[in-house]
Amino acid sequence: GQQVMQIPQYQHVQEGEDFTTYCNSSTTLSNIQWYKQRPGGHPVFLIQLVKSGEVKKQKRLTFQFGEAKKNSSLHITATQTTDVGTYFCAGGSGNTPLVFGKGTRLSVIA
Amino acid sequence: NAGVTQTPKFQVLKTGQSMTLQCAQDMNHNSMYWYRQDPGMGLRLIYYSASEGTTDKGEVPNGYNVSRLNKREFSLRLESAAPSQTSVYFCASIRTGWNTGELFFGEGSRLTVL
Repeated sequence: GQQVMQIPQYQHVQEGEDFTTYCNSSTTLSNIQWYKQRPGGHPVFLIQLVKSGEVKKQKRLTFQFGEAKKNSSLHITATQTTDVGTYFCAGGSGNTPLVFGKGTRLSVIA
Repeated sequence: NAGVTQTPKFQVLKTGQSMTLQCAQDMNHNSMYWYRQDPGMGLRLIYYSASEGTTDKGEVPNGYNVSRLNKREFSLRLESAAPSQTSVYFCASIRTGWNTGELFFGEGSRLTVL
């Protein structure tokens, strides 16, 4: 079945440093979504990408979908303490539910 | 606007006890899901209901049953709880289809099985 791998599992950064998490699917995706989960909270939708090579920005966050629609990345520029949490990618294909990666836990040291 | 509401938020069970986690959404969404979240394991799909009247197994269905009571409500039942079912459970819903569009999550139900 479809698998979504996400790396790294953990990332510790100094406030102001950049952060990137990567997502790779074993199969071609129709779309990829990104979610953020704050400590003790629930996952919250950030964005969906559907087009090959698509790049979207939300303030300091940049999301990319690979040309082959099998990989994606989330890049945060100049991290802040409010960025702390776990970031999940989730891949969609065909008539099946989203498959989530295991997430990247981001810690920001002030 | 409540979104997705889960009850209870916390529960402690003894091995062998049964319980039902309730989930309701007020967004008129067609599809609903139950996930469990364990440290380092991400979100694993237990069961889902693509539309009212249908349910299907996800990645980790053993030990669970579900009921799609109506379009709004999707419950998860543990018939005989085991310590391995200690986890945080999330209910989620999506407006249409399988995987396109925002997945809305409830706040979670934290279950401990002793």
